[in-house]
Amino acid sequence: ETGVTQSPTHLIKTRGQQVTLRCSSQSGHNTVSWYQQALGQGPQFIFQYYREEENGRGNFPPRFSGLQFPNYSSELNVNALELDDSALYLCASSLDGMETQYFGPGTRLLVL
Amino acid sequence: DAKTTQPPSMDCAEGRAANLPCNHSTISGNEYVYWYRQIHSQGPQYIIHGLKNNETNEMASLIITEDRKSSTLILPHATLRDTAVYYCIVVKSGTSYGKLTFGQGTILTVHP
Repeated sequence: ETGVTQSPTHLIKTRGQQVTLRCSSQSGHNTVSWYQQALGQGPQFIFQYYREEENGRGNFPPRFSGLQFPNYSSELNVNALELDDSALYLCASSLDGMETQYFGPGTRLLVL
Repeated sequence: DAKTTQPPSMDCAEGRAANLPCNHSTISGNEYVYWYRQIHSQGPQYIIHGLKNNETNEMASLIITEDRKSSTLILPHATLRDTAVYYCIVVKSGTSYGKLTFGQGTILTVHP
């Protein structure tokens, strides 16, 4: 059984740029949720994708967008990067959107 | 979803039981209690969840009071590798669209 993987592990961007983060879900899971974790804080829910459609969204602006592919892997896209977007971005996979979620190791994004 | 209150930090000696409390006095009848932990620089890890009965798995036990207003996560024989931030989350199963609301959690330090 393959766990949740994320790429890249680290990324440095400058303000105004765009970034794409990738996530491969655990085998057998059809749902991916994305979270942002600022330093010293708990993860904050961005959105969830279930069967290739957005299925719930947290309090994040539209410049945060995503995709889910037929193999249930997912991308998080952030446009017009701001300094406050610097954080650890976590994805989690689950079956049918359930709350038992399995997290990847995260992508650490630094915006300069 | 009901709000949870946890102590900011706790200590435990290696080999002893770690008892982590969580207050969720506004929990409603169809809300579950979930526990996750996050070891430094890793993604959160699912531990256990329950509705009203006590639950046990290979990682921990979850004790929920009869009125369901509080719960305790028990790590029966803590090891140094259990040092982590522990999050107690209350959520209505199946309706949350995968949204886990993480608070500040409890920093558990296991010392030799």
